[in-house]
Amino acid sequence: AQSVSQHNHHVILSEAASLELGCNYSYGGTVNLFWYVQYPGQHLQLLLKYFSGDPLVKGIKGFEAEFIKSKFSFNLRKPSVQWSDTAEYFCAVTPGGYNKLIFGAGTRLAVHP
Amino acid sequence: GAVVSQHPSRVICKSGTSVKIECRSLDFQATTMFWYRQFPKQSLMLMATSNEGSKATYEQGVEKDKFLINHASLTLSTLTVTSAHPEDSSFYICSASVGMNTEAFFGQGTRLTVV
Repeated sequence: AQSVSQHNHHVILSEAASLELGCNYSYGGTVNLFWYVQYPGQHLQLLLKYFSGDPLVKGIKGFEAEFIKSKFSFNLRKPSVQWSDTAEYFCAVTPGGYNKLIFGAGTRLAVHP
Repeated sequence: GAVVSQHPSRVICKSGTSVKIECRSLDFQATTMFWYRQFPKQSLMLMATSNEGSKATYEQGVEKDKFLINHASLTLSTLTVTSAHPEDSSFYICSASVGMNTEAFFGQGTRLTVV
């Protein structure tokens, strides 16, 4: 079955620490890849997406992600987190290039001042 | 970005009654809308995909007679939870997009509590 795995369910960091959240998917064909963020009490918002081209994708708020096809991975990174990055982060995949999103379980990030 | 609005944001209903949730794309025409369900501390699970003017496509395990989806126009889709039970209590989220390979925009979600 198609699935998206996020390795870390809870991450706690201090401000200015570097962040990397893992995401792996199980689908052999064409995929589009996404990272969404959900701040407390708010909508899901798109951080970044990969459809094709440069596998290193830059998104909003200083986030970036790298698509490594051979590893079926799309890890999210940020060199220096802020308290305002405290949120839940979801990796998502649209297998076959269609916009039916399959979500990972999410990673809850807490950043302490 | 484009705006998707869900209404109501919270609803409490009695067991056995039906409740309707609306999802509107405010500033674009959404050919496709998706309905998700999110259990506490869990991820979003896709329930169904609806295309304007046609029947919704339900994911495996989702009862189509219980969760009625209508996508009557390019800006409105509705999800009706029929004969609601306490186990239907959840957070329901819609998203809308224009065509394939395009970004889906999410509504703010509706928290349904069945008592």
